[in-house]
Amino acid sequence: EAGVAQSPRYKIIEKRQSVAFWCNPISGHATLYWYQQILGQGPKLLIQFQNNGVVDDSQLPKDRFSAERLKGVDSTLKIQPAKLEDSAVYLCASSLTPGRSNTEAFFGQGTRLTVV
Amino acid sequence: AQRVTQPEKLLSVFKGAPVELKCNYSYSGSPELFWYVQYSRQRLQLLLRHISRESIKGFTADLNKGETSFHLKKPFAQEEDSAMYYCALLSNTGKLIFGQGTTLQVKP
Repeated sequence: EAGVAQSPRYKIIEKRQSVAFWCNPISGHATLYWYQQILGQGPKLLIQFQNNGVVDDSQLPKDRFSAERLKGVDSTLKIQPAKLEDSAVYLCASSLTPGRSNTEAFFGQGTRLTVV
Repeated sequence: AQRVTQPEKLLSVFKGAPVELKCNYSYSGSPELFWYVQYSRQRLQLLLRHISRESIKGFTADLNKGETSFHLKKPFAQEEDSAMYYCALLSNTGKLIFGQGTTLQVKP
């Protein structure tokens, strides 16, 4: 089966500019996650969707970050304006629901963002 | 608070030596715990989950609720085991939380 697709793979922007990342989850996966992974750290959950509804966005810096998942399939994550500390790899993952016994999150290759 | 702690950033062993990657968690409830692995230039992927009680690539992990731990073990490390390992906790709302990760380096 096709995996989680993310684009772009790499992005370099200047601080205060805007950037958007796109994710296409595995077909049929209701849960979609966005993670931020700063170099040397573990993935930090930014937002979790269940279909097109937000389940958890408690760690999303809402003054500059936004995310949507229209129609419960593809998702976009936007940063506006970007700061130097936003430099990181942004990972998208998806998983099946309901039921926890079959839970496995499948990850995309990530988008590496460099803010200069 | 829901938290996963991996105290070691780097674990370096020789080929054939036993390996134990430590993971402790904090969760008020019955968590589901996982180990994910990231090999060089590959995606993060599931290695094993506690509910399956399985052995994958020779690795096992036992959930110890008394010690709130889920350590990953392998009796004889192989060079191809060199990778980044992440312990993760799944809450009852489907929130998947990762630890900081441990780099396993297996020397020949």
